Amino acid sequence: GAVVSQHPSRVICKSGTSVKIECRSLDFQATTMFWYRQFPKQSLMLMATSNEGSKATYEQGVEKDKFLINHASLTLSTLTVTSAHPEDSSFYICSASGTDYSNQPQHFGDGTRLSIL
Amino acid sequence: GENVEQHPSTLSVQEGDSAVIKCTYSDSASNYFPWYKQELGKGPQLIIDIRSNVGEKKDQRIAVTLNKTAKHFSLHITETQPEDSAVYFCAASEEVDYGQNFVFGPGTRLSVLP
Repeated sequence: GAVVSQHPSRVICKSGTSVKIECRSLDFQATTMFWYRQFPKQSLMLMATSNEGSKATYEQGVEKDKFLINHASLTLSTLTVTSAHPEDSSFYICSASGTDYSNQPQHFGDGTRLSIL
Repeated sequence: GENVEQHPSTLSVQEGDSAVIKCTYSDSASNYFPWYKQELGKGPQLIIDIRSNVGEKKDQRIAVTLNKTAKHFSLHITETQPEDSAVYFCAASEEVDYGQNFVFGPGTRLSVLP
């Protein structure tokens, strides 16, 4: 139980394109979702926290107009990288927290590797 | 805010030997400490966690110890196998009802040599 599905797993696109990444909780209701960014050989850095039905809270230094987060339902959050540029290339990982009763505060997706040419 | 340090950054052991990874945290309010294993191109997988009301927890070959006074916790893997090779991250957080934020350590790349 407590599975988080992230889609797509890999995206390659041209500079200037907007890219949407989906994060779904498959068997529980995710009241809170987290979006992380991970550069090669580095740790996970929290970008933003979103609670269902309200605006996301962004970490310092993360541009909210660049990284649009929508958490419109208890099972889906999306991250849209707007007008992506090569420096946005990274591994993006979501996690979800909610009513799964597993005693684990967060469940992680398998990540999306974004490559901007 | 919370700051988590992790050592060593890389660790190589022979198959069958033990591996120990250590983390320290700064915020005394933190009370939940998970350990994650991340394989290449994958998201982190929880392997063990500990809460501040216990000092040690074990699950087969994996154990975690916590010293609240010194604000450090360690991951112990015994009888290592090649499939244990991965990057391991510790994290610390203050547990609330929902939506608690994790602060991750920088990671340890473990290589188990056959």
